[in-house]
Amino acid sequence: QSVLTQPPSVSAAPGQKVTISCSGSSSNIGNNYVYWYQQVPGTAPKLLIYDNNKRPSGIPDRFSGSKSGTSATLGITGLLTGDEADYYCETWDSSLSAEVFGGGTKLTVL
Amino acid sequence: QVQLVESGGGVAQPGRSLRLSCAASGFTFGSYGIHWVRQAPGKGLEWVALIWYDGSDRYYADSVKGRFTISRDNSKNTLFLQMNSLRAEDTAVYYCARRDYGGSIDYWGQGTLVTVSS
Repeated sequence: QSVLTQPPSVSAAPGQKVTISCSGSSSNIGNNYVYWYQQVPGTAPKLLIYDNNKRPSGIPDRFSGSKSGTSATLGITGLLTGDEADYYCETWDSSLSAEVFGGGTKLTVL
Repeated sequence: QVQLVESGGGVAQPGRSLRLSCAASGFTFGSYGIHWVRQAPGKGLEWVALIWYDGSDRYYADSVKGRFTISRDNSKNTLFLQMNSLRAEDTAVYYCARRDYGGSIDYWGQGTLVTVSS
């Protein structure tokens, strides 16, 4: 059971928009930065969003992040078939003194 | 370019030990914290351990506390994970990953597979 809760799967058509939620608590999301990673099966994860809403260089602006209270959201617009992957949120949990990941969300682009 | 290359994975019997290594290049290794993160077959990412840039602080997931030890040799640009008392549930791909100054994980290795089975 993950400390951070994500929906197991989301889906949308090419060109559409999708959001992935990540719910936590005051000891993690509520007081720490949230990060998002994309993992194509069989490959290592890749950083998509850092510090709640910043994109590393090379990440298109179709990807966005936001945080409100103890929840965070990843948004992806203009969906491409190449966006099909697993997406994970992550943050530090101050009570556990540990990094924590969400359970992951599988994105299907229909 | 930043590279992290894990090694040392393989098959181990329950209760036995394995030591993973992670060779770093392309950056000043001794200036960064480094994580171990694992992924069981068909499952999500699970954080395992973090060591501070100078080894002064170490943090562990409850699932491995007391059994695994993270360490580093900054003179050799190498990270280690000593895994003792292995269990079947430790079977996973183990990634080493760099913690950037802001706290995110900005670079990952390709992973090494550990299988615990009799």
